Order: sequence, then C-alpha cells, then structure tokens
Amino acid sequence: ETGVTQTPRHLVMGMTNKKSLKCEQHLGHNAMYWYKQSAKKPLELMFVYSLEERVENNSVPSRFSPECPNSSHLFLHLHTLQPEDSALYLCASSQDGVRQNIQYFGAGTRLSVL
Amino acid sequence: AQSVAQPEDQVNVAEGNPLTVKCTYSVSGNPYLFWYVQYPNRGLQFLLKYITGDNLVKGSYGFEAEFNKSQTSFHLKKPSALVSDSALYFCAVRDWGGGSQGNLIFGKGTKLSVKP
Repeated sequence: ETGVTQTPRHLVMGMTNKKSLKCEQHLGHNAMYWYKQSAKKPLELMFVYSLEERVENNSVPSRFSPECPNSSHLFLHLHTLQPEDSALYLCASSQDGVRQNIQYFGAGTRLSVL
Repeated sequence: AQSVAQPEDQVNVAEGNPLTVKCTYSVSGNPYLFWYVQYPNRGLQFLLKYITGDNLVKGSYGFEAEFNKSQTSFHLKKPSALVSDSALYFCAVRDWGGGSQGNLIFGKGTKLSVKP
C-alpha cells in the first residue's frame, strides 16, 4: 500500500450521469494531483492542489471539476462525460517544498463512459 | 521546455539476463530525474531518483539507473531480470516551470516483458 487510496476502483457511467472520484492520502502530504492515463499516451497531469489551493489546471474541460476540501482529500466530480474520457484516473500526493518531490500514487479508478 | 523521451515502446528480455530501459531528457534547470513502475491494475510506484551526487543511483527491487549528463540520459538497469519485473516503466523529470510543488513530466512508458 502506498498510503493513497482511491475509490471506486472501477466506474461505468453514461454520458448524462454525474459521479465523483475520491482520493484520500494518509501520508501527511500537502500537495495532491489528478492524472489521466490513456492507452499509448503519456500520463496527463490534470490538476494540482498545493495547501488546498488549486495551482494548476492543464486546460482540462469543464466537465471535470476538482475539489480539495482539506489536505488529505481530493475529489474529481464528473458530469456529461464523453466516451473519449474513458481512462484510468490516478491520484497522487507529495510534500510541497521538498526538492526530491517523490509522488505517491493511488491504484487508480478505471472509468468507462458509455 | 522540459521533456522526457522513452524511445522503446517495449523491451523483451529473458529471465536472468541484464535489462536496460532507456530514457533521455531535456531540462532548462537542474535535472531531477525519477523512475516509476506500474504493475497491472495498479498505480505508479516510485523506484529511484537522481537529484545530485553519484551518477549511479540504486533503487528498489535491485534496479539502478545511470545519470549521464553529456548524453542527457537516465537509463534504468538491472543485472539479472526476473519474470516478476514485467511491468510498465515510466521515466520522469521535474518540471521547473511548475512552481514549488514540483510537477513531474512523464515519458510515455516502456513495457518490459521478461520471459522464463
């Protein structure tokens, strides 16, 4: 176990549904990340939160909405997704200000959009 | 702009043979380099890092990587491969444009297949 827990592990949703992905870290870190992993494509950084404030949004469509209520929890709210949004969504955490910046990843949520 | 290249989509090795997974990088600042491994249905797992110091870095599960500044490379190596090493390997470099939280830029990954 890496200390980063993601739920659910698998999610199937229709294009009109609203769902949320949850990430929780037990490492005492103060930075959290959402990544999208699609087949045969590099890992795509979606959102970064540092000290509970969003510091980066890499041109992600508005149908993805992140929320970071505290330093241990990160959500990704999903609505009106498209089939091309089907992917593995990974959450990671790290300690801001530490130059080595090792990121610790959860096991991911496998999302299928029908 | 920072970037990482993993030129091989797949590397095939026989068990017991040495393995190398290649990575080259381009950075505008000091190269902070990382290797991660992803087993099926799992997230990425940290293997090793180079920040400064010795060019040969040792990491988890017997893996090591050699930092070569002149060739801008950071190849992952293991003297004797195991079938259980079969996984997806990612090279990453710290993005110096990403602020203090130190975003990472990942390569596209190399699938390592070790056959008995």
